[in-house]
Amino acid sequence: DQQVKQNSPSLSVQEGRISILNCDYTNSMFDYFLWYKKYPAEGPTFLISISSIKDKNEDGRFTVFLNKSAKHLSLHIVPSQPGDSAVYFCAASEESGGGADGLTFGKGTHLIIQP
Amino acid sequence: ETGVTQTPRHLVMGMTNKKSLKCEQHLGHNAMYWYKQSAKKPLELMFVYSLEERVENNSVPSRFSPECPNSSHLFLHLHTLQPEDSALYLCASSQRLTTVGLKAFFGQGTRLTVV
Repeated sequence: DQQVKQNSPSLSVQEGRISILNCDYTNSMFDYFLWYKKYPAEGPTFLISISSIKDKNEDGRFTVFLNKSAKHLSLHIVPSQPGDSAVYFCAASEESGGGADGLTFGKGTHLIIQP
Repeated sequence: ETGVTQTPRHLVMGMTNKKSLKCEQHLGHNAMYWYKQSAKKPLELMFVYSLEERVENNSVPSRFSPECPNSSHLFLHLHTLQPEDSALYLCASSQRLTTVGLKAFFGQGTRLTVV
């Protein structure tokens, strides 16, 4: 059973608009969440993270929102740029466990920014 | 460039071959990981090493054998693989037992094809 779910395999957004990528999780022990971005033929690169003690974290054009009661997080990219076209992975971990289980990933959402 | 280097980038091997994947990090991290990414599946954690000791083995078949000779190097030894083992194998490293969250840095991966 998947503990981290990204239900949209792909998302197409016009350049300049807002991209919203969603992620749901089932394990209530998760207390740290990350978004990774992956281009073809490259490994995932860290984008932004949020601890469960916060509900929002912002870094430039990227903002992550966390709704703990709904076990839902989202990544907002605004304005979207062509270079944002990539696969975005949501990941979660149990910090209280020292990260012994590593990160649990979703399947990813392929974001396509159209000119 | 994330500071995590994997070699080779691509590998084709027969089912009777023995090969090894190599990962190297110069980030001063004390934990290293092997992940597997198969088509249309989330990244799956295979092994976790912390301070050169294996702390996690997610029911990985014995035809995959990890080795961590020091905190900067991680190997994945492969023998008698099956075609379904064809996937992208990703190495990652992080600083464990930290209060700032388990942020893992990934290598570019090795694309493995078993024929």
